[in-house]
Amino acid sequence: QSALTQPASVSGSPGQSITISCTGTSSDVGSYNLVSWYQHHPGKAPKLMIYEVNKRPSGVSNHFSGSKSGNTASLKISGLQAEDEAVYYCCSYGGSTTWVFGGGTELTVL
Amino acid sequence: QVQLQQSGPGLVKPSQTLSLTCAISGDSVSSNSAAWSWIRQSPSRGLEWLGRTYHRSKWYNDYAASVKSRITINPDTSKNEFSLQLNSVTPEDTAVYYCARVSCSGGTCGGGFGYWGQGTLVTVSS
Repeated sequence: QSALTQPASVSGSPGQSITISCTGTSSDVGSYNLVSWYQHHPGKAPKLMIYEVNKRPSGVSNHFSGSKSGNTASLKISGLQAEDEAVYYCCSYGGSTTWVFGGGTELTVL
Repeated sequence: QVQLQQSGPGLVKPSQTLSLTCAISGDSVSSNSAAWSWIRQSPSRGLEWLGRTYHRSKWYNDYAASVKSRITINPDTSKNEFSLQLNSVTPEDTAVYYCARVSCSGGTCGGGFGYWGQGTLVTVSS
């Protein structure tokens, strides 16, 4: 099972919007609405931000949103804030009772 | 509130067995609405799902193909915890290891990994 493809880095200024893409295949992202996104600050455990493509857990700000088209899922962060700076990972059910993660995208808030 | 507390050694010699435990509070390892996974993170591989255990009238285990021949995940209902054993480790297995819980409903575990342990840096070195 290959990792999902994410850009290595993205950046934006406070208040701007950015989108992080996550490209898989027809065997994972394209076949299941089971994509989740995680925010990871160094030294801390990853935090679930989006599950089932576009659902937000309780307590996660609504300036995070998710979507999917074909084999590509996306995480949009609107109104960037300094505290959003982190590494973001996507994850998809990969079939055959396995999960696959993306390689991670480092978000820099300029 | 679910909490996961990891324990285990941070240094393992090559060819030996990596063993970690994840103690659960606020939920049960036997829950029919959860699955319990081990995930690792390294600079070279990013996040990598390793496997899971879950109970649905009986116990089930699923493992990633990359480690399937070397991994065992076991639940311990008496202690409400689950463990990871990874055999024949090499320096490539050096990583931060996390335990995590995913919510399940109607036969699908799509709730995302909503709860994580604190992470354990395991270094494989002689």
